[in-house]
This record gives sequence, C-alpha cells and structure tokens, in this order.
Amino acid sequence: EPEVTQTPSHQVTQMGQEVILRCVPISNHLYFYWYRQILGQKVEFLVSFYNNEISEKSEIFDDQFSVERPDGSNFTLKIRSTKLEDSAMYFCASKLGDQPQHFGDGTRLSIL
Amino acid sequence: AQKITQTQPGMFVQEKEAVTLDCTYDTSDPSYGLFWYKQPSSGEMIFLIYQGSYDQQNATEGRYSLNFQKARKSANLVISASQLGDSAMYFCAMREGPPGSSASKIIFGSGTRLSIRP
Repeated sequence: EPEVTQTPSHQVTQMGQEVILRCVPISNHLYFYWYRQILGQKVEFLVSFYNNEISEKSEIFDDQFSVERPDGSNFTLKIRSTKLEDSAMYFCASKLGDQPQHFGDGTRLSIL
Repeated sequence: AQKITQTQPGMFVQEKEAVTLDCTYDTSDPSYGLFWYKQPSSGEMIFLIYQGSYDQQNATEGRYSLNFQKARKSANLVISASQLGDSAMYFCAMREGPPGSSASKIIFGSGTRLSIRP
C-alpha cells in the first residue's frame, strides 16, 4: 500500500538554525498538509497546500515557516530560525480528493 | 470552545473485551467528516475509520466501528475483542466542510490513552 514518507525520522538542530523537513506524499495525491504535535499534546494543524499554493494556514504558521513543492514529488517544511518551542513531532499528510488524509510516520525535531 | 472533546484521558481494558472511546464534536457546518486515528508509542499516526456527516450508516472497519449519533454530536469509537496491540493513544478528529475542498484541515481532540491488560 502506498505511504507518505518523511525524512529524517529525527532531526537535532541548534536554536537559531534553519531546518528543512522533507515529505514524499502518495504519488497521485493532490492535497498536502503539515501538522505538529508537541510532546504530550494534541496534534495541531499548520498548513494546507493545493495547486502549488497555500490553501490555509494556522496562527502557528508565522513568517518563520514556509512550504514548498519543488519538484512534483517532495513537499518540504522549512523553519527559518528555530526556537526551543519548535521542538515537536511534525507530521506530513496527503489526500487525493474526498478520501481521508494519510499521515507519514513523522519527524521528531529537537531544538537544543 | 473545543471543536473535538475526548473526555477520557486514559482507559484500562481487559484483553478480549470490547471498549468504547468517547468523542463529541462541535460544528455548525452541515458537511463534515469524523475520523479516528491510532498513535502507538512509536509515534506514527494510523488512520482507522471515517464517517461522513451525510452517511446514513455507521462506519465499520474490521474490529473498529464508529457509533455516530448526529443529533448528540457524538462519534464514539468501538473496538471489539480488544488485543494487546491495541494499546496506544487514540485521537478523534474532524474535518469541517465538504471532503473535496482545498483546505479541509483536520482538527484533533486531545486523545485517549488505551491500555489493554493481558
């Protein structure tokens, strides 16, 4: 069964550094999402992406965040200058149309 | 106001028993979808079951069924014949708006940690 693939599984970064989290959505999917889950808390929506542009973003998704689909297969989340509070599990998800979103296994981001 | 409420932070159930995980939701949108996801200790998010607001019948997927009571705005997950591997965090979630909309973000509840006793 096709899967959403996220790399790396764990990223450790110094505060203030830029980080790029990578996702390969399921190949025929059209809608893409990023969510985050701070340890012990609920999953929070960050951004949705469709037709090469952001459809919706939450208040968490400030100017430090950006998303890109550079080559038709990858979907990346960039955090420009990381803060301690960016430490979380980041999930990528994708869907085709009216089907449920399928999630990747997540990238655990640790900011030191 | 919370959009998704899961009132059971933790539950313990004996293996092979059935278990019901509670979920209530709040929306004024006539078109919405309800989901349950399982998150094992390894952290991945596994889709279990989906119920659309216009679906006439309750969704079922193997041992999982969704008890959808629209008037009460509840969408409880029922796991029949629980297994040790069912021990995990379970999240109820909702999409507001029609399923094919370009945004259609999912809003998650705070989760229920289910522990199955042998």
